[in-house]
Amino acid sequence: AQSVTQLGSHVSVSEGALVLLRCNYSSSVPPYLFWYVQYPNQGLQLLLKYTTGATLVKGINGFEAEFKKSETSFHLTKPSAHMSDAAEYFCAVRSSGGGADGLTFGKGTHLIIQP
Amino acid sequence: DVKVTQSSRYLVKRTGEKVFLECVQDMDHENMFWYRQDPGLGLRLIYFSYDVKMKEKGDIPEGYSVSREKKERFSLILESASTNQTSMYLCASSFQRVGGELFFGEGSRLTVL
Repeated sequence: AQSVTQLGSHVSVSEGALVLLRCNYSSSVPPYLFWYVQYPNQGLQLLLKYTTGATLVKGINGFEAEFKKSETSFHLTKPSAHMSDAAEYFCAVRSSGGGADGLTFGKGTHLIIQP
Repeated sequence: DVKVTQSSRYLVKRTGEKVFLECVQDMDHENMFWYRQDPGLGLRLIYFSYDVKMKEKGDIPEGYSVSREKKERFSLILESASTNQTSMYLCASSFQRVGGELFFGEGSRLTVL
């Protein structure tokens, strides 16, 4: 079984400040890890993903995340927040084992950008 | 560009009605999924399908069924809608059975009165 925990249902940062959204996972096999973003009344858009190889992954819109196996974490960061980053962010894990089951999602973090 | 299309963005139905939510993908993906999204609960998997006429239960299948008659189309069916099925429903597809990302549609917001 796999699970995802996102710390903080709401995170508020000032425009220009560092964005840090936390994600911890549990998985019995090496995981594939994802961050998605959702703008109001829209579907989910992939920000970035970790499958294998380099543990620091760069995504769209200036976001990046680092896979830390020892900490079972995959935190999302952006050096300087922009007003357009205000959205809901979801961390997700997909097993590298057999089967076609989909992603397991965290409960989401609502990112608020203060002007 | 990849495209997952959900036919209805907003629906309002009455308790006891039969509801069909349609999803079409144009990427020739074998794997398709239906999720339900509720505030504070994130996304929860209802059903998925890895081939035509194949279906597997997800985490919350009760009250739902699905149909996959063609590779590109995956339908979610609420046989008798109830108020606790008021939610946002998201369809997704993926190419890889293991490890690949999911591509999502825009969502269908269902209100059951």
